[in-house]
Amino acid sequence: ILNVEQSPQSLHVQEGDSTNFTCSFPSSNFYALHWYRWETAKSPEALFVMTLNGDEKKKGRISATLNTKEGYSYLYIKGSQPEDSATYLCASGYSTLTFGKGTMLLVSP
Amino acid sequence: EPEVTQTPSHQVTQMGQEVILRCVPISNHLYFYWYRQILGQKVEFLVSFYNNEISEKSEIFDDQFSVERPDGSNFTLKIRSTKLEDSAMYFCASSAGGASYNEQFFGPGTRLTVL
Repeated sequence: ILNVEQSPQSLHVQEGDSTNFTCSFPSSNFYALHWYRWETAKSPEALFVMTLNGDEKKKGRISATLNTKEGYSYLYIKGSQPEDSATYLCASGYSTLTFGKGTMLLVSP
Repeated sequence: EPEVTQTPSHQVTQMGQEVILRCVPISNHLYFYWYRQILGQKVEFLVSFYNNEISEKSEIFDDQFSVERPDGSNFTLKIRSTKLEDSAMYFCASSAGGASYNEQFFGPGTRLTVL
């Protein structure tokens, strides 16, 4: 059974701060790592799917890195904005995803 | 932009009643999934469905649960006799392919409350 862990559980930053969170997963039998952004009452939105060790992906102010040998991924947000407030979920697996508990980010104006 | 939709957004039911949660996946997707999140816990996989049959299911997906694709657009999850512990947010997802690198697109969820 895969165990995916995320830290911190929650984070409160000021507008303009840069921030990052961690997702850790078993490094053996790795297939892919997915990051999602989930706002309350909305669908979880896929941010990145990462498969290769050393992968780095970017979408606007959000980027992610992947280290499959040590079993972790970082998600970075540069210059956080209030609209970045959401829960960020990571998940790993082949076709079925095992999720972490998420990092709840609150960005204050 | 195509999206996964789910109805109803909130369902309240009495223990022992049957419920059917409905999903309309993205139209050209072939792989369908149900996940759930009990309040305060992780999102958990329930079942995957491809080519009109279950591909994988978790230990949670026991005989009380069933899935169906009754027509070309809907994908349903039925819980035959609900228990208090079935109270959760149920998410439907779909993807174009079944490989690890295929993005899964999620619906907004149905919050099921069992009283």
